[in-house]
Amino acid sequence: QVQLVESGGGVVQPGRSLRLSCAASGFIFSNTGMHWVRQAPGKGLEWVAGIWNDGTEKYYGDAVQGRFTISRDNSKKTLHVQMSNLRAEDTAIYYCARARSMVRGAPFDYWGQGTLVTVSS
Amino acid sequence: QSALTQPASVSGSPGQSITISCTGTSGDIGSYNSVSWYQQHPGNAPKLVIYEVKNRPSGVSNRFSGSKSGNRASLTISGLQAEDEAEYYCTSHTTRRTYVFGTGTKVTVL
Repeated sequence: QVQLVESGGGVVQPGRSLRLSCAASGFIFSNTGMHWVRQAPGKGLEWVAGIWNDGTEKYYGDAVQGRFTISRDNSKKTLHVQMSNLRAEDTAIYYCARARSMVRGAPFDYWGQGTLVTVSS
Repeated sequence: QSALTQPASVSGSPGQSITISCTGTSGDIGSYNSVSWYQQHPGNAPKLVIYEVKNRPSGVSNRFSGSKSGNRASLTISGLQAEDEAEYYCTSHTTRRTYVFGTGTKVTVL
């Protein structure tokens, strides 16, 4: 069955960097787009970034544009997000999510359980 | 990109129907039929319940239905059950090739 397992979360100081990973299994990873979605404590969902199945196209939310970089390694079935210049407002649970199809704008049909990132001095 | 607008809360008695609205702009909901709805129970990851405005993924109850008119989308839950009590979020693709989520709606079963 489809599984997405995030890792790499933790406590980090403002201005520092952190890299999250998402290990995928149970489907052909190289055939689907992937996304990161976050949720601040007690708040709603916020789309962070998305990447095309072959990595040729990447898109970012306004709040992270220029600070976060999404990438993927199809040979290892792994999705990453490199987060730089972290701010307190980046504190959230970060979920990786699979796009349901190759169509642009496809919904997210499988989600991981998330990894918590806390930005605090 | 501003979040799509949803009511903060909606409630109903078991067996009743409720509708959650999701209001966007011509740059998101109004431009695409890529509106999706997610259900999230406390402590859990979101679950897709409606995609492409009105389609239900396999395994999702047919009590969930969706629609769209102009810049506004709606999710209707009929025959409300205790298990439907959760937070619901809409989302849409945008003309900037990004996604935007709604503000979220807490559904309470009275």
